[in-house]
Amino acid sequence: SAVISQKPSRDICQRGTSLTIQCQVDSQVTMMFWYRQQPGQSLTLIATANQGSEATYESGFVIDKFPISRPNLTFSTLTVSNMSPEDSSIYLCSVYGTGNHYGYTFGSGTRLTVV
Amino acid sequence: AQSVTQPDIHITVSEGASLELRCNYSYGATPYLFWYVQSPGQGLQLLLKYFSGDTLVQGIKGFEAEFKRSQSSFNLRKPSVHWSDAAEYFCAVGAAGGGNKLTFGTGTQLKVEL
Repeated sequence: SAVISQKPSRDICQRGTSLTIQCQVDSQVTMMFWYRQQPGQSLTLIATANQGSEATYESGFVIDKFPISRPNLTFSTLTVSNMSPEDSSIYLCSVYGTGNHYGYTFGSGTRLTVV
Repeated sequence: AQSVTQPDIHITVSEGASLELRCNYSYGATPYLFWYVQSPGQGLQLLLKYFSGDTLVQGIKGFEAEFKRSQSSFNLRKPSVHWSDAAEYFCAVGAAGGGNKLTFGTGTQLKVEL
């Protein structure tokens, strides 16, 4: 299956600042997704990162707050902008690829704490 | 809209005992179904998945799951639990064909007593 490198693994940030999270995959993948896991909660999809076009956001998530880039088939970034303590969560990158036996693989996550 | 229900928030079993984690889904067509495990501070690891065919699916670490369309269920089982199985388990559903978003259940926290 695909191997995902997600950076940083954790960070502590001041409110009002922004953090960019990187997701690098060791092979080309069809789809890339960004999820948020709030403390003690399940995973919620933020957006689907589309290569060469704007990301597709889920209800409740907006581009100004969570801008996403996907310049090629192996890399994507998620930025958490103008952070508040409510943004403290684990952010996970996920990929889907047909070469991955139609599976979805997850990165190890970025644990973000906003103070 | 697709949804997943995991009715058990916490489950405690003794090491060596059998385990069944429940998952019920709602989806209008043929679903893709998944079970993931998350250890503290870790990402998600895929245990097994169901796309089609045999309704009893074997996964890693001795886990299996059975797809029951009539009950809209995809319960996870293990005949003998090990202390290292203590973790959080998530059931997820996605649209057939792949490449679509996954919808996750709220998770079941498994505790294993020695």
